[in-house]
Amino acid sequence: NAGVTQTPKFQVLKTGQSMTLQCAQDMNHEYMSWYRQDPGMGLRLIHYSVGAGITDQGEVPNGYNVSRSTTEDFPLRLLSAAPSQTSVYFCASKSGHGELFFGEGSRLTVL
Amino acid sequence: SQELEQSPQSLIVQEGKNLTINCTSSKTLYGLYWYKQKYGEGLIFLMMLQKGGEEKSHEKITAKLDEKKQQSSLHITASQPSHAGIYLCGAYPSRGRSNYQLIWGAGTKLIIKP
Repeated sequence: NAGVTQTPKFQVLKTGQSMTLQCAQDMNHEYMSWYRQDPGMGLRLIHYSVGAGITDQGEVPNGYNVSRSTTEDFPLRLLSAAPSQTSVYFCASKSGHGELFFGEGSRLTVL
Repeated sequence: SQELEQSPQSLIVQEGKNLTINCTSSKTLYGLYWYKQKYGEGLIFLMMLQKGGEEKSHEKITAKLDEKKQQSSLHITASQPSHAGIYLCGAYPSRGRSNYQLIWGAGTKLIIKP
């Protein structure tokens, strides 16, 4: 079972560059989400989706875009990267029982 | 807005000793998760508590939810090196959006001394 797969695991960007973090799950979960994790701050919700074609903002959505064209995929786009977006990003999906399944994380550095 | 505070922030425990980690909310808790994270890895599900007074155990880890105290505790008995990592609690801030927007504590870093 692959579970939740995130790519890439590591990325270095220059300020102003764009990139997409990929997230895929093979458990047919309707709910998917993106978090960022910063030292001393815990996980903060960026965007989430309750099904294909439906997305909504979380706590810290600015600077990030998402789309959900299929149940399996939930990519996170940074349109113009800023140093403040240096963080570890986690994608998660949620089962019908309420358990969250997390990817292994993507470590992003913006110079 | 609701906040979750974990205590202690870090903990060094001799192997074999018991320990407790707390997660305290500024508002009423409506369900709570405990996850464990190792450096460079994802988050591993430990337990989900949904009702006040609920207590769950898995191997040597027990978690309780005290809604009146707006607190959950995670207790590890006879700690082992495999218990080392960062423990995170997450909770739903309100019933209205309870299924969608979890909030999280900053984590408790646990080190086990051999």
